[in-house]
Amino acid sequence: ETAVFQTPNYHVTQVGNEVSFNCKQTLGHDTMYWYKQDSKKLLKIMFSYNNKQLIVNETVPRRFSPQSSDKAHLNLRIKSVEPEDSAVYLCASSPDWGYAEQFFGPGTRLTVL
Amino acid sequence: AQSVTQPDARVTVSEGASLQLRCKYSYFGTPYLFWYVQYPRQGLQLLLKYYPGDPVVQGVNGFEAEFSKSNSSFHLRKASVHWSDWAVYFCADASSGSWQLIFGSGTQLTVMP
Repeated sequence: ETAVFQTPNYHVTQVGNEVSFNCKQTLGHDTMYWYKQDSKKLLKIMFSYNNKQLIVNETVPRRFSPQSSDKAHLNLRIKSVEPEDSAVYLCASSPDWGYAEQFFGPGTRLTVL
Repeated sequence: AQSVTQPDARVTVSEGASLQLRCKYSYFGTPYLFWYVQYPRQGLQLLLKYYPGDPVVQGVNGFEAEFSKSNSSFHLRKASVHWSDWAVYFCADASSGSWQLIFGSGTQLTVMP
């Protein structure tokens, strides 16, 4: 099956802990993304990575960092979670930069207690 | 700055009725526009996309959208809504050709029996 896969589906943790979310795409795409979706369903781009260049949204706190082993994987690490990090994190991929549509994974729901 | 506006946060229609969800974009160059749907507890799925050409584009599940340069709009339509269309709908703009896909704030569609 060709798609974008994310693990885990859900994660509950306490303030100050470190968490890591995995994303893998089997679509053969060159570019991957991480989005944060808040409780009002608003989508905010966090990172974009195409195996050559990482672009970070300047509003993303430094405790967030992407980690990539190859162009099919882009994980997200949060070093010390805060309550405001509670959200759904969506991973996406696209065949190219620019105008192509993006394909999304099912998301990871993070709850910070 | 480039932006996408979905003026209706919530729309309620009866099953079998027609539907229009509104989207306005602000980019003044060549438009590349998308509609995505997000079903409960799932990621985003592409409904349809507009690349420069025919202003009316057909998508999946009976959805279509019409691009209007004069109105800076890309409204989504469906002739007869089904209960399974209950979801959040996002309009998105890739017109800048940059790494960012600009999303609107979403429209929650509720389908009444």
